[in-house]
Amino acid sequence: DVKVTQSSRYLVKRTGEKVFLECVQDMDHENMFWYRQDPGLGLRLIYFSYDVKMKEKGDIPEGYSVSREKKERFSLILESASTNQTSMYLCASSDRGLNSGANVLTFGAGSRLTVL
Amino acid sequence: AQTVTQSQPEMSVQEAETVTLSCTYDTSENNYYLFWYKQPPSRQMILVIRQEAYKQQNATENRFSVNFQKAAKSFSLKISDSQLGDTAMYFCAFMKHEGAQKLVFGQGTRLTINP
Repeated sequence: DVKVTQSSRYLVKRTGEKVFLECVQDMDHENMFWYRQDPGLGLRLIYFSYDVKMKEKGDIPEGYSVSREKKERFSLILESASTNQTSMYLCASSDRGLNSGANVLTFGAGSRLTVL
Repeated sequence: AQTVTQSQPEMSVQEAETVTLSCTYDTSENNYYLFWYKQPPSRQMILVIRQEAYKQQNATENRFSVNFQKAAKSFSLKISDSQLGDTAMYFCAFMKHEGAQKLVFGQGTRLTINP
């Protein structure tokens, strides 16, 4: 089974702190994604990456940055956390190939961030 | 831009009943994918079913089936013989056929199966 592992399940941070959310996948997927999940809004795409060192903005990139130095790891960075970034963050990955599993995203368990 | 709308924030049915979750979407694309994902309480999101827009036949996976109406831009999920383990948030999602594999999600429907 494809596994997407998010390093922290729960985090509590102070306003203004720098926050790192780490995500690792073990199936050599090219694509990796960071989504934010809020009640009544569903999931919204923050950033995605289709290759090492490549990144593209999603629908809500403001206040976030990302890093992908290795194929298996995709990090989400909050340079200066704010209370409106309190949310559930979901990482996902997918295969860019032509096999039957392509375009199906596999998700991590999520990281619930609270900013006080 | 694509949008996905789930108009039922919450639903509740008895075990063994059949339940249908609604989803509509808006797009100018002709070829695309539609998905239903399930997120059980405190557990990770998993794929329930996938439909390719160019296929007229509705997708089925055991007790889960979809009613895909391309002209109406509707994509409902039917769960037959519902089980307690079906209790979860269900998300409808859209993906373009070409380009980056970005999913656009609906707001979600919280489904509770009662014993």
